Amino acid sequence: QQPVQSPQAVILREGEDAVINCSSSKALYSVHWYRQKHGEAPVFLMILLKGGEQKGHDKISASFNEKKQQSSLYLTASQLSYSGTYFCGTRTGAGSYQLTFGKGTKLSVIP
Amino acid sequence: DTGVSQNPRHKITKRGQNVTFRCDPISEHNRLYWYRQTLGQGPEFLTYFQNEAQLEKSRLLSDRFSAERPKGSFSTLEIQRTEQGDSAMYLCASSDGLRDRFSYEQYFGPGTRLTVT
Repeated sequence: QQPVQSPQAVILREGEDAVINCSSSKALYSVHWYRQKHGEAPVFLMILLKGGEQKGHDKISASFNEKKQQSSLYLTASQLSYSGTYFCGTRTGAGSYQLTFGKGTKLSVIP
Repeated sequence: DTGVSQNPRHKITKRGQNVTFRCDPISEHNRLYWYRQTLGQGPEFLTYFQNEAQLEKSRLLSDRFSAERPKGSFSTLEIQRTEQGDSAMYLCASSDGLRDRFSYEQYFGPGTRLTVT
């Protein structure tokens, strides 16, 4: 089942912070965050594993609440380059490699 | 590391025709994935290969779709008897899955945009 992302869209001024949420009705093994700019491929940002391990870009932070099956992506001191659509992808087990993506959150950063 | 490449980048075809797309993963990546993305939606999983073996296939994938990865390197996705509903961006991704649990991060190619008229 597709994870639910919120908000659907957000507009920020440069330097402002934002939080993007991802919620699943299924138990999750891992959560993966991607950013996609218009006409481009999704770019990997962060992976969070059940058990607390995570790996991603230095300027991106995220959390994974295993009990609630929720993940949040924290964007701080936003820059114009942060604009794009953010997707969370979820895996429900170690034996399944497919990612199920949410509908995305469109982030626009303005000067 | 040249990234994941896909060809062609754009394909326009008439309904009922067959089309084939190619994906070249990052060299030495043993895992390869196909996704489909329509406007305003996230990528939708189609199928997954580990080396040459097709290990997962979406239940949403009709019999008109077939994918191969004959030598464990590049992969092809064929759609037979295309329908207008097949119009979408077809994305390929790869990962190595060998180093550690984090190596499941998937690197996406630029996609092939299919338009069925």
